[in-house]
Amino acid sequence: GEDVEQSLFLSVREGDSSVINCTYTDSSSTYLYWYKQEPGAGLQLLTYIFSNMDMKQDQRLTVLLNKKDKHLSLRIADTQTGDSAIYFCAESISFNKFYFGSGTKLNVKP
Amino acid sequence: EAEVAQSPRYKITEKSQAVAFWCDPISGHATLYWYRQILGQGPELLVQFQDESVVDDSQLPKDRFSAERLKGVDSTLKIQPAELGDSAMYLCASSSRGWGTGTYNEQFFGPGTRLTVL
Repeated sequence: GEDVEQSLFLSVREGDSSVINCTYTDSSSTYLYWYKQEPGAGLQLLTYIFSNMDMKQDQRLTVLLNKKDKHLSLRIADTQTGDSAIYFCAESISFNKFYFGSGTKLNVKP
Repeated sequence: EAEVAQSPRYKITEKSQAVAFWCDPISGHATLYWYRQILGQGPELLVQFQDESVVDDSQLPKDRFSAERLKGVDSTLKIQPAELGDSAMYLCASSSRGWGTGTYNEQFFGPGTRLTVL
C-alpha cells in the first residue's frame, strides 16, 4: 500500500528557516501537497506540486521534489510564531485518492 | 468565503451507542470525502462520494459505519454501535473536480467533529 512518512517534530527559532521533510513510496503519484492544521481545526492547503516539477516557490514557501528518491520537502522562510502548527504531506494517486503522512509538529520559539 | 460545514463540533458518547455526523460541502462541489484522523496521525479516507454515489469505501468498517449522500449535496456518517477505538476527529472535505477527471483536485476541509467514546 501507499506509505507517506514524516518526522514527528521540528523546533526552530522565530526568523529562521524551517525545513519539513517527507518521503513517499508510490511512484505513480500525480500531485503532492502540503497541508497545515492548527489545533482543533481542519486541514488547510498550503501548496502543492505536480509530480513532473522539481521546485515550486510561493512567497515564503518553497517546495522541493526529488522524484528519484521519492522525497518532498517544504521550506518556510522567516518562520513566525503563527507558523506553529502540524504540517501534513499528502500524495494523490490518479488525481483522486489521497494519502497523508502522520504530520510534523512545528514549534516556533520567540 | 465558502466553507465546508460540519456538526456537531464535539460529541461524547458511551460505547454501544449510535452517533451521527453531518457535513455540508461547498456549494457545487461534486466530490465529498469523509476522513478519520486518530490523534497523532494523518487523515485516513473512510468514504468518497461522487454526487450521490459511493466511489470508494474500501476503508469503511461496514459492520458499524454507514454513510449516505442522498441528494448529492450534504452527507451523514453514522456509527452504530460506537466502540472505544472510534474516538478520533472525523473530517469532511469536498472538491469541485469529479472522479477520474485527470486534473488537479483541491480538497477543502471542514473543521471536523471530535468524537470521544467512553
